[in-house]
Amino acid sequence: SAVISQKPSRDICQRGTSLTIQCQVDSQVTMMFWYRQQPGQSLTLIATANQGSEATYESGFVIDKFPISRPNLTFSTLTVSNMSPEDSSIYLCSVEALEAFFGQGTRLTVV
Amino acid sequence: GENVEQHPSTLSVQEGDSAVIKCTYSDSASNYFPWYKQELGKGPQLIIDIRSNVGEKKDQRIAVTLNKTAKHFSLHITETQPEDSAVYFCAASDTDKLIFGTGTRLQVFP
Repeated sequence: SAVISQKPSRDICQRGTSLTIQCQVDSQVTMMFWYRQQPGQSLTLIATANQGSEATYESGFVIDKFPISRPNLTFSTLTVSNMSPEDSSIYLCSVEALEAFFGQGTRLTVV
Repeated sequence: GENVEQHPSTLSVQEGDSAVIKCTYSDSASNYFPWYKQELGKGPQLIIDIRSNVGEKKDQRIAVTLNKTAKHFSLHITETQPEDSAVYFCAASDTDKLIFGTGTRLQVFP
């Protein structure tokens, strides 16, 4: 199994600002994914982070709002840009090797 | 694209009873079906998964069954304990992208 560390675990941010979330994996993985979980809801895939190329975004999510970096096979960042209260959610990093594992998540509150 | 439905949305059982959560999926190409347990304030924890080449998998008190023809899969928890109380999510994947069900809040009463 993979061990995934996410930072920060939680943050409270002012609207209009940006927050970068980091995801570190203890082994090299090809696929890293970013999900959003709105309060009381299920998980929705934001994008797939590809090493060496641009991320692949799902319908409803755009690069300008959620820029992603993937500089190597063990690390990725997700930035939530120009935040509004509607961005208050848990953001989760996931990897899939033989199984799909999640980090503990970043609980973001925008005020 | 894939669509996953999950039932029930809430489930209350007495300690020691069994709990069953069911999911259906739409894309016959899906071949990986994990189940996650999410406790308050934590990320989803993978508890069991099944691939489309098997019909059933067990791990102690937890089992998952898969019916590819009907495109549904189920989570079975036997001898439930209060610590099983959490939100459970099913998911389906045909590539590397997981599509999640809407979740089931399980409460186990002592």
